[in-house]
Formats: sequence, structure tokens, C-alpha cells
Amino acid sequence: GAGVSQSPRYKVAKRGQDVALRCDPISGHVSLFWYQQALGQGPEFLTYFQNEAQLDKSGLPSDRFFAERPEGSVSTLKIQRTQQEDSAVYLCASSPDSGRPQHFGDGTRLSIL
Amino acid sequence: GQNIDQPTEMTATEGAIVQINCTYQTSGFNGLFWYQQHAGEAPTFLSYNVLDGLEEKGRFSSFLSRSKGYSYLLLKELQMKDSASYLCVTPTSYNTDKLIFGTGTRLQVFP
Repeated sequence: GAGVSQSPRYKVAKRGQDVALRCDPISGHVSLFWYQQALGQGPEFLTYFQNEAQLDKSGLPSDRFFAERPEGSVSTLKIQRTQQEDSAVYLCASSPDSGRPQHFGDGTRLSIL
Repeated sequence: GQNIDQPTEMTATEGAIVQINCTYQTSGFNGLFWYQQHAGEAPTFLSYNVLDGLEEKGRFSSFLSRSKGYSYLLLKELQMKDSASYLCVTPTSYNTDKLIFGTGTRLQVFP
């Protein structure tokens, strides 16, 4: 596919479980971003990568959140010991290089019961 | 700071023109984006303004006034498919890749 692909599309987990969300950026895109979007709100920045380097993780809400992009392509956002307040849509975006418009995936809708 | 203010909701009629306003506060301006987001879908890029003035792109135009910290998105010849949220977005002053999104303006177009 030509766009950013995220999986799963929907994820339901019990409080306390660990979850892993996957993002496949557009091929060749250097920059990759993760956002959290609560219902009725705009996306909020979590973290971003240039190739495999995580350059900014200031938006991660707690140390339960961890992101990686080991080979500079696919990225995984992991949330440990999930809490109900983690319920949100998690969006991934990529761009060809720094300063270029970001292309978003459809997101993973995470529901914590 | 980078407070972004835009109306929460707007309604308009098919075929009409609507203007969605956005004000922002930033000490180091690095341009302003508009994104469109349909419910349950990805935000999609609409426009990017870095200089003052109007940028026209088909039915959509975006205006910027840096001195006033003000932008608007103008949608002409509204269609039902234009019903969506419109997000006003600025990069942070210290990192152009770190985007700050407004809460979005939910536009409903009625026949």
C-alpha cells in the first residue's frame, strides 16, 4: 500500500495488560511520529524518530509507554500495565524528511476495560 | 506558549462558503498547517502557510497573518463530503517536526 499502515485497527485489553501497536510508514520516509488522540480532541504528540534514532520522547505520558524503531522503518509503541486513561486513538505519521508535511495512518483505537 | 484557539463546531449549507478561524500564540513562528479529519479516519494535509497572505488550492484557501497570530481556512462550494473536523496546527518554535494541534473545528454541512 502507498499509505501509512497501522495495526491492529482496534484493540481491547484489560487493565494491567501490556499492548503493542504497530506502524508501517510510507516506504523511504525518514521521520516517524506517534500521537495520542482523545475523543473530540486534536492529536497530541508522543514521540518521534529520525530513522532509528528517537529524537524526542517528551510527550510520552509515563514510563509505561515505550516506542522503538530498530531498523529505521517499522515502529512499535508499547504500553505496559495499561490503565483506563490510556484508552484513545493512537496515530502514527511519517514524512519524507524533517519539516515536510506528515502523512497519517488511520490509527489504532485502544480501549482499556 | 503555543495556545491554539479555533471554534469547536460550525454548520453550513451545501454550496455555501464557510470560514474557519484560528488564532495562535508562539514566540518562534515556524508556519501553520491545516489538516482535515473525517470521523474515524486519518488526518489529511490540506495546506501550509509560512508567509502572510492567501494560498488558494481549488475549493480550499488558507490565509495567514503572522503579526496578528491569525489564520483562516476558507471552504467554497461546500459539499456534503466536507463534513469533517478541521485542525489548525503549528510546529513548536524549537522543533519544526513537533506539531501542536488545536482541538479542531467540527464542520457539519447540511443539504
